[in-house]
Amino acid sequence: DAKTTQPPSMDCAEGRAANLPCNHSTISGNEYVYWYRQIHSQGPQYIIHGLKNNETNEMASLIITEDRKSSTLILPHATLRDTAVYYCIVRENTISSGSARQLTFGSGTQLTVLP
Amino acid sequence: KAGVTQTPRYLIKTRGQQVTLSCSPISGHRSVSWYQQTPGQGLQFLFEYFSETQRNKGNFPGRFSGRQFSNSRSEMNVSTLELGDSALYLCASSENNEQFFGPGTRLTVL
Repeated sequence: DAKTTQPPSMDCAEGRAANLPCNHSTISGNEYVYWYRQIHSQGPQYIIHGLKNNETNEMASLIITEDRKSSTLILPHATLRDTAVYYCIVRENTISSGSARQLTFGSGTQLTVLP
Repeated sequence: KAGVTQTPRYLIKTRGQQVTLSCSPISGHRSVSWYQQTPGQGLQFLFEYFSETQRNKGNFPGRFSGRQFSNSRSEMNVSTLELGDSALYLCASSENNEQFFGPGTRLTVL
């Protein structure tokens, strides 16, 4: 799986958009970008994933550059409960039914939402 | 649907003992993965089970083992515990591409 690079920490004011960058310059054509977050001492939580098109769900938006070498996770209106470590992971999507390959977690970005 | 459940949530053991941790995946999910999280090493993949078969294994010694039952519930076992095995052990279940994690079992080895 491709390696990712994220800033170790970021701050964001409550109510503002949080933009978390991720570099994945060695991503291959069949690898997706996944984002998870982990609130202190809880299990990681899936946020969103995408291949090359921008994606949006109820939690966040994912913007992937045209060359796919980087992406940005956007939390449109950050709240104090969004304080967590955010992990950007790239991996192949599964092909066989019901099978999930391992996730390789890096160090992630500690996002702190400030009141 | 109920989420992934792990038992026990907290466990204290002494060096040399063995421990068994349990994970119940989301109903209908056939894949269960285990991860170890420590402050020094972060989140590391242990192994993945699918339909009672181990499909992937991380770089951990043979003291770490697991199994999956026909109802997809999974257990992991650590034998001859060492101080360095103190960690949060996370289980994740999956049916497609997203993995859903449980709350983890906090193991402390004294």
